[in-house]
Amino acid sequence: DVKVTQSSRYLVKRTGEKVFLECVQDMDHENMFWYRQDPGLGLRLIYFSYDVKMKEKGDIPEGYSVSREKKERFSLILESASTNQTSMYLCASSFPRNTEAFFGQGTRLTVV
Amino acid sequence: AQSVTQPDIHITVSEGASLELRCNYSYGATPYLFWYVQSPGQGLQLLLKYFSGDTLVQGIKGFEAEFKRSQSSFNLRKPSVHWSDAAEYFCAVGPHSNTGKLIFGQGTTLQVKP
Repeated sequence: DVKVTQSSRYLVKRTGEKVFLECVQDMDHENMFWYRQDPGLGLRLIYFSYDVKMKEKGDIPEGYSVSREKKERFSLILESASTNQTSMYLCASSFPRNTEAFFGQGTRLTVV
Repeated sequence: AQSVTQPDIHITVSEGASLELRCNYSYGATPYLFWYVQSPGQGLQLLLKYFSGDTLVQGIKGFEAEFKRSQSSFNLRKPSVHWSDAAEYFCAVGPHSNTGKLIFGQGTTLQVKP
């Protein structure tokens, strides 16, 4: 079974903190993604990576950065957390040629 | 602009009744099409996908979807809903490229009445 594992299910952070969300996949997928999910807005792409050390901005990259030093790991970084970044964050991975994406269980982040 | 619209934010059906969830897309070329389901507090699970060929595709859990190019639609159906189908459903489209980027609709929350 494909497994995409996000390091935390729930996180509570303070405004201004630097926050790291970690994602690991075990299927040797080239593509990895970070989405943000908010009620009524569906999933919005923050960043994606199609290879080690390669990244591209998605639709809402402001306030976020990413790191992909190894093929299996893709990290989302909130440089200075703000309350409007309170959300559910979903990591996904896939092979190229747009086969299906496999999702982690999500991290619900609350910034207070 | 590329977009996906799920017109129904919330749907309630009785257990045993049939179900249709609507999805319309705007895309410059023939897209890949997906339906995902999300149970409360969980990630997304793929129900079915359309890449090419037969426009009626079968998925897991008894779901099916039909691609209608003329209507730019990819509606999800199930003949008889079970209480365990209560969840949020997302339609998504993606390009024929290596990026794997998907565009998601806003989601439809399904409630099942006993």
